Amino acid sequence: DQQVKQNSPSLSVQEGRISILNCDYTNSMFDYFLWYKKYPAEGPTFLISISSIKDKNEDGRFTVFLNKSAKHLSLHIVPSQPGDSAVYFCAARRGGNEKLTFGTGTRLTIIP
Amino acid sequence: AAGVIQSPRHLIKEKRETATLKCYPIPRHDTVYWYQQGPGQDPQFLISFYEKMQSDKGSIPDRFSAQQFSDYHSELNMSSLELGDSALYFCASSLGSRETQYFGPGTRLLVL
Repeated sequence: DQQVKQNSPSLSVQEGRISILNCDYTNSMFDYFLWYKKYPAEGPTFLISISSIKDKNEDGRFTVFLNKSAKHLSLHIVPSQPGDSAVYFCAARRGGNEKLTFGTGTRLTIIP
Repeated sequence: AAGVIQSPRHLIKEKRETATLKCYPIPRHDTVYWYQQGPGQDPQFLISFYEKMQSDKGSIPDRFSAQQFSDYHSELNMSSLELGDSALYFCASSLGSRETQYFGPGTRLLVL
């Protein structure tokens, strides 16, 4: 049972444009969400997180939006750069637990 | 900045052998997490330790055991290896339990 879903396995975006990566979850007990970026042969790198008490968090070029009623979050990258090409995982954590539940990942390719 | 260190980076074993994976957390981090990522899959939580005590447990087989030592490094011991254990094993650490997890580069285990 995939509790965190990233329905787009891949996404291609022109350099300089906005990249929007989407994530849906089914478990209403999740209260903390994170985005990680992963390059081949490396571990996931933390990008940005958001608590369920917020609906938006911004850090430089990265903004995460959370829509609790829709159980949906998205990561916006503006402007997109070639170095952003990687696999992006969203992850969720439920209150009282430590483990992260990951989505299946979206491969983002930035086209120069 | 110092990151999570995992050793070895690559490991080849035969069925029914044992393997030990090591994780050295970011300095001052007191919580360690282990994840397993199979080919084409998302990372799956195995187990975590906070202040040398097991704090959360996921889908870790009985053939696997882990511990966290006094210097906060952790070891994942895997016995009676099976072909299906071939995967990327990530360790993550955080400062305090339920804080942002920072991942190591992973150990790629191949069981022949």
